[in-house]
Amino acid sequence: ILNVEQSPQSLHVQEGDSTNFTCSFPSSNFYALHWYRWETAKSPEALFVMTLNGDEKKKGRISATLNTKEGYSYLYIKGSQPEDSATYLCAFTGGATNKLIFGTGTLLAVQP
Amino acid sequence: NAGVTQTPKFQVLKTGQSMTLQCAQDMNHNSMYWYRQDPGMGLRLIYYSASEGTTDKGEVPNGYNVSRLNKREFSLRLESAAPSQTSVYFCASISGQASFYEQYFGPGTRLTVT
Repeated sequence: ILNVEQSPQSLHVQEGDSTNFTCSFPSSNFYALHWYRWETAKSPEALFVMTLNGDEKKKGRISATLNTKEGYSYLYIKGSQPEDSATYLCAFTGGATNKLIFGTGTLLAVQP
Repeated sequence: NAGVTQTPKFQVLKTGQSMTLQCAQDMNHNSMYWYRQDPGMGLRLIYYSASEGTTDKGEVPNGYNVSRLNKREFSLRLESAAPSQTSVYFCASISGQASFYEQYFGPGTRLTVT
C-alpha cells in the first residue's frame, strides 16, 4: 500500500508569518506530485503538478519544491494572509494508471 | 462550462437503502474518479475510470459499484447503505495523464446513513 504523509497535521500562524509544510511519498516509480488547496465547504483546487526532481513552482506567494530521490516535497507560503487559511493536500501518482493517492492534508489557520 | 457537477448535494438514507450518486463533466476529460472524505482521513479513492469503458478499484471499493456511462458521466452506486458509508463524496476528472494535468473536483455530495 502506497503511503503519502503530510506534516504537520495542523498549523496556526499569525498574519504576515511565512510557513512551510511537508509531503512525503514513495521515491520508487515516481510519476508526479500534486498540491491542492481546499477551503472549508468548497472543493479542492489544484495549485501545482510537479514531475521533475529539483522542480520548483510558484504561484503568487505560494511555492513548492520537489525531491523525488528522497521522496519529499515542501510547500511554502510567504507572508501568510487570512485568506490562505485552508487545508493543503498533496497527492502522489506512482505509475501510468492515473491513480492519485492523497495525503491527509495540513490544516493552516492564519490569524489576523 | 459547468466543470464537474454532482447530484444530489445532500442525501439521508436509512441502513439498507440503495442510491446512485451522479457525476458529469463537460470538459471532455478522459479519466474520472470517486473519492470519499472522512475527518482525519483525507481523500480516499473509491473507484476510478481511466477512460471510457474502463473502471478500476481504488483504496476503499467495498460496498460500492460504479458505471462509466459515457465519456461525460461516472456514477457511484451504494447497493445497501451502511452507517459506515456516511461521508462526503467527491467526483473528480482529469484531461490526460496525471503526470501533467491537475484534477478538477465537483462540489461534493454529503451523505448520511442512519
